[in-house]
Amino acid sequence: GDSVTQMEGPVTLSEEAFLTINCTYTATGYPSLFWYVQYPGEGLQLLLKATKADDKGSNKGFEATYRKETTSFHLEKGSVQVSDSAVYFCALSDFTGANSKLTFGKGITLSVRP
Amino acid sequence: GAGVSQSPSNKVTEKGKDVELRCDPISGHTALYWYRQSLGQGLEFLIYFQGNSAPDKSGLPSDRFSAERTGGSVSTLTIQRTQQEDSAVYLCASIGSTSGNPGYTQYFGPGTRLTVL
Repeated sequence: GDSVTQMEGPVTLSEEAFLTINCTYTATGYPSLFWYVQYPGEGLQLLLKATKADDKGSNKGFEATYRKETTSFHLEKGSVQVSDSAVYFCALSDFTGANSKLTFGKGITLSVRP
Repeated sequence: GAGVSQSPSNKVTEKGKDVELRCDPISGHTALYWYRQSLGQGLEFLIYFQGNSAPDKSGLPSDRFSAERTGGSVSTLTIQRTQQEDSAVYLCASIGSTSGNPGYTQYFGPGTRLTVL
């Protein structure tokens, strides 16, 4: 079945540091890939997405490129801010049949210190 | 409303009691999902509704769990004879369509935190 593997956390960085959060996936079809973010006390929000190979999703300074050859969708940001402290989830949706349910990774907590 | 709403935001119950969790999707959204977020299992799919089609119940962990969606809008997730392992945050999400167009965004509600004592 489909699965998403994220790097182990938590991650603590200083403000303005470079961020990489690794994500790899296994899917039988051609999935769409997503990063969702959960800020403290808030619900899940879509951060960015990519729907086909070599697509790059970007939002709020974050980027991720859909790499079919390595089955990866790593999240990067050049300079993190304290406000980026949150839990980040990598997910895929494998639109086979009608149910486009999301399969999530376990999430990783990012803490950014001033 | 403007977003997906869920109620209650918190629910504390005793083991063995039944609970009902409610989800109001975004107006006009035809597809609705329930997920569970727990410490041990992460985020798991529970059940999916699309229009008038039969729901996909493949993620429900046991027959104590059921859900319905009335009038193609509001959904209720019911857990009977709750157990301590049911303690989790239950999330609802909706999207506008699943008609073969990849990348539709699922919009999540704030969740209901269920604690079973």
